Amino acid sequence: DADVTQTPRNRITKTGKRIMLECSQTKGHDRMYWYRQDPGLGLRLIYYSFDVKDINKGEISDGYSVSRQAQAKFSLSLESAIPNQTALYFCATSDSRDSPRHEQYFGPGTRLTVT
Amino acid sequence: AQKVTQAQTEISVVEKEDVTLDCVYETRDTTYYLFWYKQPPSGELVFLIRRNSFDEQNEISGRYSWNFQKSTSSFNFTITASQVVDSAVYFCALRLNTDKLIFGTGTRLQVFP
Repeated sequence: DADVTQTPRNRITKTGKRIMLECSQTKGHDRMYWYRQDPGLGLRLIYYSFDVKDINKGEISDGYSVSRQAQAKFSLSLESAIPNQTALYFCATSDSRDSPRHEQYFGPGTRLTVT
Repeated sequence: AQKVTQAQTEISVVEKEDVTLDCVYETRDTTYYLFWYKQPPSGELVFLIRRNSFDEQNEISGRYSWNFQKSTSSFNFTITASQVVDSAVYFCALRLNTDKLIFGTGTRLQVFP
């Protein structure tokens, strides 16, 4: 089984709908991240969480919210989806004991389309 | 400011050619870490290598090699004898002690048979 899983893997939704993307990990890592990838822009950080009670905005947090329900779960919500939030979304994890020396571990991605 | 620049948007080569992907970074931190990730057409991100700012030794792993030069703030990636399976988007990334990971915009490599 994959260490970092994301659900759903693909989602098409309409403008104005609320949508939640979920991330779960079995790596036992305390740090979790949400990124979005747009063509030609690389990955940009939306939110990150260093533990259950520590949540921080990233580079592009407007229009998004997050919830760290447990150490292993980190959800990203779009309260009212808009077409320019169409992108590939990645969840990632890392261990504070290894950070920043070691890599972040990425989930398989969620492809979101807002029509 | 911290930044990663991958000036090559797209590169096309024919199988068995060598290809170098450029990565230039900017940071004032003295301690930092550099990474390369591969994103094949299936979309997942595959970790390839990490290097810390105190280790300028070049590294070779099979057909892959990396050239880290602090003097030019570059961390270039060379694929020797490219293969069709190397076709992917490659990302260079910079990680600071703040733990933030800053990605370049990626280079799409297409290897034709």
